[in-house]
Amino acid sequence: QKEVEQNSGPLSVPEGAIASLNCTYSDRGSQSFFWYRQYSGKSPELIMFIYSNGDKEDGRFTAQLNKASQYVSLLIRDSQPSDSATYLCAVLQAAGNKLTFGGGTRVLVKP
Amino acid sequence: GAGVSQSPRYKVTKRGQDVALRCDPISGHVSLYWYRQALGQGPEFLTYFNYEAQQDKSGLPNDRFSAERPEGSISTLTIQRTEQRDSAMYRCASSSRPNANTGELFFGEGSRLTVL
Repeated sequence: QKEVEQNSGPLSVPEGAIASLNCTYSDRGSQSFFWYRQYSGKSPELIMFIYSNGDKEDGRFTAQLNKASQYVSLLIRDSQPSDSATYLCAVLQAAGNKLTFGGGTRVLVKP
Repeated sequence: GAGVSQSPRYKVTKRGQDVALRCDPISGHVSLYWYRQALGQGPEFLTYFNYEAQQDKSGLPNDRFSAERPEGSISTLTIQRTEQRDSAMYRCASSSRPNANTGELFFGEGSRLTVL
């Protein structure tokens, strides 16, 4: 079992719709969770972090965390073509403090 | 510097040669991470440092891979006796906090290694 798992996609959504991305993790002791965005040919950049169960909203982005289910999600509302990218879920492992990334979900927003 | 700087940006080498990849983190950043990223995959953890101390090297694939950060700033990832399977993008990232416990890593542009 991979430490952080994501559906690779591509997730195709029409412009203006909600994109929903999911991530599961194996280390039950993990406390900190992050979403990075990576445009094609570019480096990853942090867009959201969440530490507590529940929802956290930042502009058009909402991160959701359920530690009991070991599940993290990201919602992108009013999706724009500029949101087309790969979204990486990252988990700060409880043991060793290494930041482990999932394989990423590719999102395509069609005008 | 303004951002994380990696060199060389592109490296083509023959199988069996040694390569050294350099990372210059954001000035004052405490922790430094090395990742390897294959096309279409997420970054794969290799190793990380807090200051000059290597905290975790569990992701280094084998003993041909090593990393150092002797003065707590610039880091070098060395691959000895390169093999074709080592071909990948090698990414360095730094963070202002130890153990990257804010989770915000700033990534460099990467060094693309091709082993022929």
